[in-house]
This record gives sequence, C-alpha cells and structure tokens, in this order.
Amino acid sequence: GDSVTQMEGPVTLSEEAFLTINCTYTATGYPSLFWYVQYPGEGLQLLLKATKADDKGSNKGFEATYRKETTSFHLEKGSVQVSDSAVYFCALSDNAGNMLTFGGGTRLMVKP
Amino acid sequence: KAGVTQTPRYLIKTRGQQVTLSCSPISGHRSVSWYQQTPGQGLQFLFEYFSETQRNKGNFPGRFSGRQFSNSRSEMNVSTLELGDSALYLCASSLATSGGPEQFFGPGTRLTVL
Repeated sequence: GDSVTQMEGPVTLSEEAFLTINCTYTATGYPSLFWYVQYPGEGLQLLLKATKADDKGSNKGFEATYRKETTSFHLEKGSVQVSDSAVYFCALSDNAGNMLTFGGGTRLMVKP
Repeated sequence: KAGVTQTPRYLIKTRGQQVTLSCSPISGHRSVSWYQQTPGQGLQFLFEYFSETQRNKGNFPGRFSGRQFSNSRSEMNVSTLELGDSALYLCASSLATSGGPEQFFGPGTRLTVL
C-alpha cells in the first residue's frame, strides 16, 4: 500500500536558519502530494501541495518540489521564524478519492 | 465562511461505553473524512463519506462506524470503547470528489478513555 516517510524530529533551529524536512513516498500511479502544518491545540492546515511531477508548491515562504525520480517532496524554507514552530506532516492522496496517507510528522522548534 | 466544526471538543468516557462525535463541514462541501491521531500510530484514515455514502474505509475494527446526513453533516460512533481508542479525532471536508483536492480540517475532538 501507499506510505510516506519523513524525518523524525524534533528539529531545533535558530531564527532565520534554513529549514529542510525530508519526505519520501511509496505509491502506485501518480499521487498528489501535500504538506500540512499543525499548531498546538489545533487541527491541520494545508501548507502547500503539488499534483504532478516537477510541480513546485509554495506558500508563506515554504516550498516543496514533486520529484518523481526520487519519490520525494522535501519541505524547505530559507529563513524560519519563531512562529513557524509546529508539527509538519507530509501526505499523499492517490487521486481515486479523498483519503490521505500521512507521514509520522516532524516537530519543528525555532528559538529566538 | 465558517470552517469545519467538530463537537464536542473534549470527551471523557470509560471502557465499554460508546461515543458519538459530530462534524459539520464547510458549506457546500459534500465529502467528509475522519482521521484518528495518536502519539504511537500517528494520523490514520478512518473513513470517508460522500453524498451520504461511505466511499472509502481504513483498517479499523467494526466498532468504528460513521454516517453522513443529507446536509453533509457527519457523525462517527465508537462502540465498546477501549483504552487504546484515546486519541484526537479529526474531521476534514472537501469540495471536490477526487483528484487530490484540498481538505479542510476541523480542530478535532479529544477523546480520553479511562
């Protein structure tokens, strides 16, 4: 079945540091790929998405590129802020319905 | 536009009891999905409803069930609660029927089973 693997956290960075959170996936066909963010005590918010190979999703300074050859969708941000502290989830959808398969989540802590 | 709402936000039950959770999707959204989030298993898909029909189901025992009403509101029910059912239950709604649409999540219901 489909699966998503992302780097374990926590990831601790200083403000303005560069962020990379690795995500790789296993799926048949051509899934859509997503990054969701969860702030403490809240549900999930869609951060960005990509629906086909070589697409780049971007939002709020975060970027991720759908790499079919490496089955990856790594999340990057050039300069993190304290307000980016949250748990980040990589996910895929097989496009046959609305079922999302999530990675284990990566907690990011940004220190001032 | 109001977001996805879930009630109640917090719930405490004892083993053997049953519980019903409610989810109201964003107006116009006809697809509602449910997920269980636990520290050990992460986020796992429970089921999805579209136009009052269960369209997809995850790998959970039959104690977990759900339904969707004609106004797209959805409920999930867990019978004979076990300690391991303690989790955050998240509901998500979507406008599109398929094809990698954006799903909008509610704040969740925190269920504690004692």
